[in-house]
Amino acid sequence: GEDVEQSLFLSVREGDSSVINCTYTDSSSTYLYWYKQEPGAGLQLLTYIFSNMDMKQDQRLTVLLNKKDKHLSLRIADTQTGDSAIYFCAERVGGGADGLTFGKGTHLIIQP
Amino acid sequence: GAVVSQHPSWVICKSGTSVKIECRSLDFQATTMFWYRQFPKQSLMLMATSNEGSKATYEQGVEKDKFLINHASLTLSTLTVTSAHPEDSSFYICSANRPGLAIYEQYFGPGTRLTVT
Repeated sequence: GEDVEQSLFLSVREGDSSVINCTYTDSSSTYLYWYKQEPGAGLQLLTYIFSNMDMKQDQRLTVLLNKKDKHLSLRIADTQTGDSAIYFCAERVGGGADGLTFGKGTHLIIQP
Repeated sequence: GAVVSQHPSWVICKSGTSVKIECRSLDFQATTMFWYRQFPKQSLMLMATSNEGSKATYEQGVEKDKFLINHASLTLSTLTVTSAHPEDSSFYICSANRPGLAIYEQYFGPGTRLTVT
């Protein structure tokens, strides 16, 4: 079955890098996503990676995928107070008509 | 970017009544929409896939007679919680697939918080 795991909390100092980790179980995942949810707001797609890629960088965000270990990470460089939110890892198995399977989310806490 | 709206943003209803939640794609047509529910400090759980012009596909364990889904147009899907009970209190979130993009982006609505008293 499908299962996505994340640690529930991560605390970092402002200006440091944040690394949020995620593991998944379904080896047939096609796309893996990172979403951000701020209090009272909907989910915002941050970035995604296709399963045949190892790395993707987009400004302050770097996604690393280790397909062998089924491990996905999101690195946020120069973490700012505005980055405080819950970050969800999600996977899609199959084509575009499929819903996503989400992890429980990692609450990123920024210390001044 | 693509925008998905939900209405209402929050609703309180009495046990035994029915509540309808709307999900609209505002600037694109969505042949497929999805309904999720999220309990406090929990993940989003996919409830059903809503396809325009056809019956919804429900995930295992989701009662289709309790959670009625109608996708009558390419921009609107509705979720009706029938005979609501306190255990149905949750955050309901919809998303829509935007066609034509290679990565099959799903755009999420802001969610509807349902409280059943």
